[in-house]
Amino acid sequence: DVKVTQSSRYLVKRTGEKVFLECVQDMDHENMFWYRQDPGLGLRLIYFSYDVKMKEKGDIPEGYSVSREKKERFSLILESASTNQTSMYLCASSHYRDYTDTQYFGPGTRLTVL
Amino acid sequence: AQKITQTQPGMFVQEKEAVTLDCTYDTSDQSYGLFWYKQPSSGEMIFLIYQGSYDEQNATEGRYSLNFQKARKSANLVISASQLGDSAMYFCAMREMGNTDKLIFGTGTRLQVFP
Repeated sequence: DVKVTQSSRYLVKRTGEKVFLECVQDMDHENMFWYRQDPGLGLRLIYFSYDVKMKEKGDIPEGYSVSREKKERFSLILESASTNQTSMYLCASSHYRDYTDTQYFGPGTRLTVL
Repeated sequence: AQKITQTQPGMFVQEKEAVTLDCTYDTSDQSYGLFWYKQPSSGEMIFLIYQGSYDEQNATEGRYSLNFQKARKSANLVISASQLGDSAMYFCAMREMGNTDKLIFGTGTRLQVFP
């Protein structure tokens, strides 16, 4: 059974804190993605990675960075959290260039920045 | 630039009835794939159905079917015999078969099924 896990379902942080969101997949997928989801805006891509140590900016990378040291793990980092980063964060993974296959999603992390 | 448009922020349907959720897309590519996902209140994104741009038949998966009209650039999701458990957000997404494996998502439609 395919599985993408995220380190926390709910997280509350203070403005200025450094925040790490972890994502792990057990499907040997090359691609991993971080999205944020806000009401009325759908899912927006923050960063993605198609290989270890490789990363590419998505549509809204400002204020975020990522790390992929191992194939199965993709971390999203908020260097200095701000209230406008309060959102739902979804991680996903997929096979490289398997265009007919879906992306597999984790359960999401609902982050609140106070 | 590729874009997905879902014009229905919310839809209501009675149990056992069919419902159509609209999705239009914009792309200059000839090769692309279209996906529908369901997101219950618990938050996880559940893959429902896929349609490739070269597929001649409309995709079907159980009670879900995709009404693909290529010339009109529409990919509507049809849910037959709605159930209370179908109440959720539904997202349409597109992937271009180019140099990237990214998905572009629409803004979603919230479906509520009532008894």
